[in-house]
Amino acid sequence: GAGVSQSPRYKVAKRGQDVALRCDPISGHVSLFWYQQALGQGPEFLTYFQNEAQLDKSGLPSDRFFAERPEGSVSTLKIQRTQQEDSAVYLCASSLMKGLNTEAFFGQGTRLTVV
Amino acid sequence: AQSVTQPDIHITVSEGASLELRCNYSYGATPYLFWYVQSPGQGLQLLLKYFSGDTLVQGIKGFEAEFKRSQSSFNLRKPSVHWSDAAEYFCAVDPPGGKLIFGQGTELSVKP
Repeated sequence: GAGVSQSPRYKVAKRGQDVALRCDPISGHVSLFWYQQALGQGPEFLTYFQNEAQLDKSGLPSDRFFAERPEGSVSTLKIQRTQQEDSAVYLCASSLMKGLNTEAFFGQGTRLTVV
Repeated sequence: AQSVTQPDIHITVSEGASLELRCNYSYGATPYLFWYVQSPGQGLQLLLKYFSGDTLVQGIKGFEAEFKRSQSSFNLRKPSVHWSDAAEYFCAVDPPGGKLIFGQGTELSVKP
């Protein structure tokens, strides 16, 4: 596809349920980022991949959050035992490389609602 | 710690009027600076960015921003607002080699 694709667009989960959010980056993009955007807030960094290597996971809020990118393209963000405070929009972004003059392209996001 | 402040949560301007959205950052050196726009249900679109050099940066859709080191500011401007500019605007910094740090956002409403 032409842009970053995320699925599902909307997800309602019961508290305690596990969820998996998918990100298809732009083909050939080396860098991939996950952000969490709570209602009325700016996005907050969760984790960063360069190809299949997870180089920074300092933003993951707890050990219930796990991300992977096993073949260096598609990435999955998994949240175990979801809690109400996990309700947010999860944004994925990709770029050719992380660095100067490399624009990060964002997907439309997955809106997660935990009930 | 690095941070970004957007003092205005919500701004309303009349169509055709000028616009200025404020952004202040806290960082030890000169960071890379960005403005993004987010329409409802959409991802973030880059409007413009500043890395170095000329402090007045031109972006898409007629937007510009000016970097002022002495004020730690990177305000976004547009001389004449269109109804389609109504959206949420985010200022962000990227400490070189790091990840984007976003402000809280400013919601822009445009009245006819």
